Amino acid sequence: GAVVSQHPSWVICKSGTSVKIECRSLDFQATTMFWYRQFPKQSLMLMATSNEGSKATYEQGVEKDKFLINHASLTLSTLTVTSAHPEDSSFYICSARGQTYYNEQFFGPGTRLTVL
Amino acid sequence: GQSLEQPSEVTAVEGAIVQINCTYQTSGFYGLSWYQQHDGGAPTFLSYNALDGLEETGRFSSFLSRSDSYGYLLLQELQMKDSASYFCAVVDDKIIFGKGTRLHILP
Repeated sequence: GAVVSQHPSWVICKSGTSVKIECRSLDFQATTMFWYRQFPKQSLMLMATSNEGSKATYEQGVEKDKFLINHASLTLSTLTVTSAHPEDSSFYICSARGQTYYNEQFFGPGTRLTVL
Repeated sequence: GQSLEQPSEVTAVEGAIVQINCTYQTSGFYGLSWYQQHDGGAPTFLSYNALDGLEETGRFSSFLSRSDSYGYLLLQELQMKDSASYFCAVVDDKIIFGKGTRLHILP
């Protein structure tokens, strides 16, 4: 089956620093990648959709200057949380979709971000 | 916009059958998916219904009625390991998740 990895799996940083999270599709080409955020005991909230080689489309209420998304290749997308603050602490999950799996998204294992 | 409704919590006994309902309102719709998520883990795909009817995969079945904008997940022969959160999700150009149903299983 299709595998998606994320790195790091967890990160702790100081307030004001920036954190980069990588999402990779390991055995398929991901034409579209999605970034979700999940707070404890809540649902997954879609943050943005990124297509390879083009700018990401952000959901309403998500600050594009704070959450920078880059999808430079068909196997890699990155999410950078800039000037992180404690309220950004959350579980960030990416998912990927390829041309042969149009109706299915494959999720990464998630990255737990804690901002002190 | 899109909205999905599902119960916040359901409790059932080990070995029993439980049904988790989901109603949705969407502007676009390809199908309805169900995901399972254990505490601390990422969601895992359970099923996808694009057409009306029942899809069975082992102990899990999923049903869709497009005309009623309704679906459900049926879990049979419940096991303790099935204790988790279950999310219905509308599949369009992206996947939008419902708020999730926490399933508690009693021995």
